[in-house]
Amino acid sequence: DTAVSQTPKYLVTQMGNDKSIKCEQNLGHDTMYWYKQDSKKFLKIMFSYNNKELIINETVPNRFSPKSPDKAHLNLHINSLELGDSAVYFCASSLSSYEQYFGPGTRLTVT
Amino acid sequence: GESVGLHLPTLSVQEGDNSIINCAYSNSASDYFIWYKQESGKGPQFIIDIRSNMDKRQGQRVTVLLNKTVKHLSLQIAATQPGDSAVYFCAENKGAGKSTFGDGTTLTVKP
Repeated sequence: DTAVSQTPKYLVTQMGNDKSIKCEQNLGHDTMYWYKQDSKKFLKIMFSYNNKELIINETVPNRFSPKSPDKAHLNLHINSLELGDSAVYFCASSLSSYEQYFGPGTRLTVT
Repeated sequence: GESVGLHLPTLSVQEGDNSIINCAYSNSASDYFIWYKQESGKGPQFIIDIRSNMDKRQGQRVTVLLNKTVKHLSLQIAATQPGDSAVYFCAENKGAGKSTFGDGTTLTVKP
C-alpha cells in the first residue's frame, strides 16, 4: 500500500564514492520531485519531473543527476560524494500542481 | 527573488490551547498554497490547501487563512494536542512541478 517509496532508507558512504537513491510512486501521479533537507530542516527542491520531462533543475552541482525511466520512477544518482552532501533526501509526487506526497526519506551520511 | 518564509522558527503552546503558525510569501502570482506537517523521522504530509480565490478554508481542527493584500498565510490549529508536535511548512505552487517551501516552524505542545 506504500504510496511513495524510497530505497535505501539509510546510506552511509565515504567521500568520493558514487551512489544512487531510488524512488517509486504507485499513485498514478504525473509529477515527481527530489528535495534535500538539511540539519536545520530547510527543505530545498532539487529537481522536478512532469511526465518524464525535467521541469525544475535548481542550482544543484552537476554531480547530481536525476533519471526518470517512466512516470512512476525518479532516481537520483550522485557522483563523487562530498561531506556537504550529507542530508535527508526526500522524493515526492503529485498530480500536476496539486499537493505532494512524500516518501519516508533517505538519510545520507558521507564520511 | 521569490521566497516563502515563516515568521517564527519555533512555537511552544500548552495542550488544549489554539496554535497559529504564520507564513509570508513574496510571489503575488502564486495561486495555490499548501500546509504540510512533518513529524520526526518522516516525510512532510499534506494538511490543508487553499487557492488564491479564497480567504479561508477549514478542515478538521485546522483553518488556513489567506490575506493576499499583505501576502500572508496562516495555519490555525484548534485545541492543540501532543500529536500536533511537528515541523510545519507552508508552500506555494506555481504550476506543475513548481513549488517553493518555507523554512518551517517547529511546534512543541506542552502537556
